[in-house]
Amino acid sequence: GENVEQHPSTLSVQEGDSAVIKCTYSDSASNYFPWYKQELGKGPQLIIDIRSNVGEKKDQRIAVTLNKTAKHFSLHITETQPEDSAVYFCAASRANFNKFYFGSGTKLNVKP
Amino acid sequence: KAGVTQTPRYLIKTRGQQVTLSCSPISGHRSVSWYQQTPGQGLQFLFEYFSETQRNKGNFPGRFSGRQFSNSRSEMNVSTLELGDSALYLCASSVGQQYGYTFGSGTRLTVV
Repeated sequence: GENVEQHPSTLSVQEGDSAVIKCTYSDSASNYFPWYKQELGKGPQLIIDIRSNVGEKKDQRIAVTLNKTAKHFSLHITETQPEDSAVYFCAASRANFNKFYFGSGTKLNVKP
Repeated sequence: KAGVTQTPRYLIKTRGQQVTLSCSPISGHRSVSWYQQTPGQGLQFLFEYFSETQRNKGNFPGRFSGRQFSNSRSEMNVSTLELGDSALYLCASSVGQQYGYTFGSGTRLTVV
């Protein structure tokens, strides 16, 4: 089955800096890659996603890039704010399957 | 619009007992998935239901089961509880395959 690896496990940045979280996947048939943010006591929240026919997608301060050849995708957060502090998860799924494989999570701490 | 509602939020059970967790998806979402979240194993897929049929299944023992009703509400059941079943159980709904999930806040199950 699919194996999604996520790095780093923890990331501490100064407010205003950029943060980058990287994931790799093993199944070349995976073609949909969402990112989730989980705050304490809450369920994960979808923040951005990308499909395999696109190399990059942006939404305000958040962007995701995908390299299908290398089987890796990354989340970029610019101008970080304290409210960005949370655990971030990447995920991957195959076409016609509503079953996601999640990375192990990155705890992002944005210091004011 | 209302989000995904999971009940109860917290549950304490004794080893050997069984438990039923409930999930009401977002109105119009016919796909409901369940995940187990633990610090050691992360987010692991349990199963997905669509139109009252189990469409995908993860690698969990038969003690874990679920169902979906005609109004898309879903329940999952765990029989003969073990200490290792202690986890946050998350329900997620989506409009269809390969669309991002909307997660509920989860049910925190503690087995003693």
